[in-house]
Amino acid sequence: NAGVTQTPKFRVLKTGQSMTLLCAQDMNHEYMYWYRQDPGMGLRLIHYSVGEGTTAKGEVPDGYNVSRLKKQNFLLGLESAAPSQTSVYFCASSYPEGIGRTTGAGEQFFGPGTRLTVL
Amino acid sequence: AQKITQTQPGMFVQEKEAVTLDCTYDTSDPSYGLFWYKQPSSGEMIFLIYQGSYDQQNATEGRYSLNFQKARKSANLVISASQLGDSAMYFCAMREYQGGSEKLVFGKGMKLTVNP
Repeated sequence: NAGVTQTPKFRVLKTGQSMTLLCAQDMNHEYMYWYRQDPGMGLRLIHYSVGEGTTAKGEVPDGYNVSRLKKQNFLLGLESAAPSQTSVYFCASSYPEGIGRTTGAGEQFFGPGTRLTVL
Repeated sequence: AQKITQTQPGMFVQEKEAVTLDCTYDTSDPSYGLFWYKQPSSGEMIFLIYQGSYDQQNATEGRYSLNFQKARKSANLVISASQLGDSAMYFCAMREYQGGSEKLVFGKGMKLTVNP
């Protein structure tokens, strides 16, 4: 199993350009997430999805859009890139669990990351 | 207010010694989960250990253990017998439930350096 994969691994954009980051998972996870990581800020949630066809906003959604047309794929789009979107982007996936679950961690599995630079 | 606080920006430890990485959290929910992830210089996020809010015993995974003090809202990671390969960024995270879905909130991380 490949786990969680991200495409591309690196990208350089000019301000105003658009691009799409692709995340794919082969673990049949219901939940998928997009994070950005900036120095000294930890990981911040951009958008997430609790199932095929659903998306929701996270902590820092502005300037990004997402789509989950297939259960295994979660796309992150930048319509008009800005230098403030220079970051490392991580995708993650997990199984859902009910509130009060006491067995198993249901941890999130992360992709290798995409390093994006916006000039 | 921060939900996950990691106050140590960096720590140094000698190889083979034990080290404790601090994490405090803030939540009013009775059900939550606490995670520690490791991020080596290669960049990947590696899950280390999990503690559920209802778990009676502290979690352990090999050389990793979690010192869970619920009343103090702390979930410190203890690494025993440090190895050079333990040098990395470490992130504490809390799983919270909102609107029928679950999300992770991460701390800002701390950098551990293991010296030979």
